[in-house]
Amino acid sequence: DQQVKQNSPSLSVQEGRISILNCDYTNSMFDYFLWYKKYPAEGPTFLISISSIKDKNEDGRFTVFLNKSAKHLSLHIVPSQPGDSAVYFCAASDGGFSGNTGKLIFGQGTTLQVKP
Amino acid sequence: DTGVSQDPRHKITKRGQNVTFRCDPISEHNRLYWYRQTLGQGPEFLTYFQNEAQLEKSRLLSDRFSAERPKGSFSTLEIQRTEQGDSAMYLCASSLFTSGGYTFGSGTRLTVV
Repeated sequence: DQQVKQNSPSLSVQEGRISILNCDYTNSMFDYFLWYKKYPAEGPTFLISISSIKDKNEDGRFTVFLNKSAKHLSLHIVPSQPGDSAVYFCAASDGGFSGNTGKLIFGQGTTLQVKP
Repeated sequence: DTGVSQDPRHKITKRGQNVTFRCDPISEHNRLYWYRQTLGQGPEFLTYFQNEAQLEKSRLLSDRFSAERPKGSFSTLEIQRTEQGDSAMYLCASSLFTSGGYTFGSGTRLTVV
């Protein structure tokens, strides 16, 4: 049972354009969502997060949008840069991260390629 | 603060052998997590510690797997009688109780032949 799904295995965009990565979840108890970026031979790196009480969180070029009714979140990267090329994982928690176990359920990942 | 350190980076072992991995978290982090990642999948939760107490274990963690965190510092993950299905990247992460995100190590890649 895949509770967090990233249905696009890969995405290719031109440098300077917007990258939109999508994630769907099924568990309505999830109340905290995160995005991680992973380069080859490295562990995932925390990128940005959002609590279920918000619908948008922005950090520089990265913005995460949450649509609770659709159980959908997305990560926007504007403008995209070649250094953003990596695997992006969406993750969810049912404990508000700081409240419960902090255990995360990850999606399968989307490989982003930003072409110069 | 040198981040989360995992050792070894790579391990090749024969089926049936025992292996042990080590994780050194960020020193002030009280939570430590083990995840497993296979090709084309996201990390899957295995177990976590708060200080020295192991508070949750996934059903993915069979009886052949054991994790410890003596004194609430470094942690070890041991796999006994390895099987080919154990081949994966084993990731360790740590966090503060109130942190907004984990810090992951670079992982230990296990290959069982």
